[in-house]
Parts: sequence; structure tokens; C-alpha cells
Amino acid sequence: GESVGLHLPTLSVQEGDNSIINCAYSNSASDYFIWYKQESGKGPQFIIDIRSNMDKRQGQRVTVLLNKTVKHLSLQIAATQPGDSAVYFCAENPYSGAGSYQLTFGKGTKLSVIP
Amino acid sequence: EAGVTQFPSHSVIEKGQTVTLRCDPISGHDNLYWYRRVMGKEIKFLLHFVKESKQDESGMPNNRFLAERTGGTYSTLKVQPAELEDSGVYFCASSRLTGMYSGEQYFGPGTRLTVT
Repeated sequence: GESVGLHLPTLSVQEGDNSIINCAYSNSASDYFIWYKQESGKGPQFIIDIRSNMDKRQGQRVTVLLNKTVKHLSLQIAATQPGDSAVYFCAENPYSGAGSYQLTFGKGTKLSVIP
Repeated sequence: EAGVTQFPSHSVIEKGQTVTLRCDPISGHDNLYWYRRVMGKEIKFLLHFVKESKQDESGMPNNRFLAERTGGTYSTLKVQPAELEDSGVYFCASSRLTGMYSGEQYFGPGTRLTVT
């Protein structure tokens, strides 16, 4: 798969437990953040996003927390299921005022769910 | 609603040859992006179209890469001549035109390019 050669941090979680995936971002000008999930052979799939004027946002079974002070982003997955096994990426978008929407991706974390 | 599609899914070419990758965005999405992941690296931005115009091409690595989006629909990314370091997975994404933020960027499955 695409992760060959890319040494990803790995998180192993028992099915039914909660998962927390962390991400540190570098650009203090970033004001929009997204979590993506990538399964083998597929492209990144949007999970949830958050803007810099918020510190928490909840979706279905997922919560994103943003700490701008320490430039840290986390994704919490409640009641982790085998289908949650994938590589998770955080991405940031610094608003430049010039209409540039490029995303900067983190290295990714591989989540393995143990049945 | 059909998702972002990319063609081919996999391409194997020799160094010095030319390859053209195609992306069909979601219908109605004015924003189209190209990203790539080369071996051992993160997914990196290449460029961003708004309709047929290049909004941001700051991520294009060199002039061997040429992206077009004639008519503001599908896009092609040509690599000519290909080098070994161009091997990787090339992703296309699209999003609606929303103003300050891109909104959700929908990614295609990617084209795996192998240069030998």
C-alpha cells in the first residue's frame, strides 16, 4: 500500500475502546484544520474539520480538539470499530487572503483495531 | 453523486518517458487540487485550480510538471520527462467554491506512478 516506506506511528486499540490520535502542527497562521482517514487503496476521506475560532467540534462518534496555544490537534473516536482501522492524517490550511486552499498534511497515524 | 475519479489507477513507465494523469472532479466543484505522496514522505500539495485558472501552483516541483484544466472540468497532469524521484501516488481532490475556506476537499483514489 501507500504506507510502504513511510514509518508511521501506530496505535493499537481494542474494539469498543476510545481512540485518541494526536497531531502537532507547525504553522501558527493556520486557521482551518481537517482530519482525514485513508484506507488501503483509497484516497483520503474527510472525517471532520474545525476552524481556529473553535476549540472543540463533535461529529458522529468523533470529536476534534484544537489547542492553539501549543499548536496541537487531536481526534477522538468513541467506541472504536474494526472499520475504523486506517491511517489518519491531520491537515492544516493557513488562510493567506489570496484564495489559496492548499492543505499541509501531517505524517499520519496508523490505527489498528483489535477485535 | 459520483466521486472524484482518476485515471489510470497505476502507471509504470521508464525514466525519460512521458505520462499524463487525468482527474475528473465532482460535478459542480470549481476547485480542483493535485497532491502527491512520494515514497517515505507526507502528502504534499502541488497546485490548485479555480475553474480553468491556476490559483496556486506553488507546490509544483519543477517545469517537468504541467497541469491543465481546459474548460474548467477535468484536469490533466503531465510529467515530461519522468524521473525516478517522481514515483509515488498522485491524488486529485475537488471542492465547492465557498469563499474563505476550501470546504471539504473530496479526494480521488489516486494514481500510483512507478518510474523505472
